[in-house]
Amino acid sequence: NAGVTQTPKFQVLKTGQSMTLQCAQDMNHNSMYWYRQDPGMGLRLIYYSASEGTTDKGEVPNGYNVSRLNKREFSLRLESAAPSQTSVYFCASSVPAPRRYFGPGTRLTVT
Amino acid sequence: AQSVTQPDIHITVSEGASLELRCNYSYGATPYLFWYVQSPGQGLQLLLKYFSGDTLVQGIKGFEAEFKRSQSSFNLRKPSVHWSDAAEYFCAVGAVGETSGSRLTFGEGTQLTVNP
Repeated sequence: NAGVTQTPKFQVLKTGQSMTLQCAQDMNHNSMYWYRQDPGMGLRLIYYSASEGTTDKGEVPNGYNVSRLNKREFSLRLESAAPSQTSVYFCASSVPAPRRYFGPGTRLTVT
Repeated sequence: AQSVTQPDIHITVSEGASLELRCNYSYGATPYLFWYVQSPGQGLQLLLKYFSGDTLVQGIKGFEAEFKRSQSSFNLRKPSVHWSDAAEYFCAVGAVGETSGSRLTFGEGTQLTVNP
């Protein structure tokens, strides 16, 4: 039982490049989330998926898209990366809410 | 809307000293309350949670927290800090009756440094 896994662990992008962050959970959870963590700002919700087939915007969705591929997988896409998207990204899952189980994070730098 | 405030950005304590990290929340009804810990380069690990019942909750690693409704607080405590407790600590509040997919609001975090 691996819990929540994320790939990659680290990524460096140039401004304007695109990439997809992958997340998978093996706990049969219904809900999945993407957060970003910036110094002094705690964790802010980007997008969430209450159940397979649904996605909703969180607090800071601009510049991101998501796909709930199946119950296990929830990906986050940056279509045109900007320096303001330099952050640490965490995927989480839950069933039921509100406790979240977090992945190890992806550290993204956009130059 | 719910919100969480952690008034202390950074706290330094000596190993073996007691610790209290403050958390204040704003929510119109009884909240779900959490404390998470994040070690450097790691994800967030749940320390403890309060849903209902006894207002003093015990968590992992010797931590406890007390829910005080009158003060809208959920402070985290440990009687004797170990060097391995150095980490960032996040308080979070969720809504009672929250359905799957609803939001959990996090505080800004408190960075704990432990001196030998």
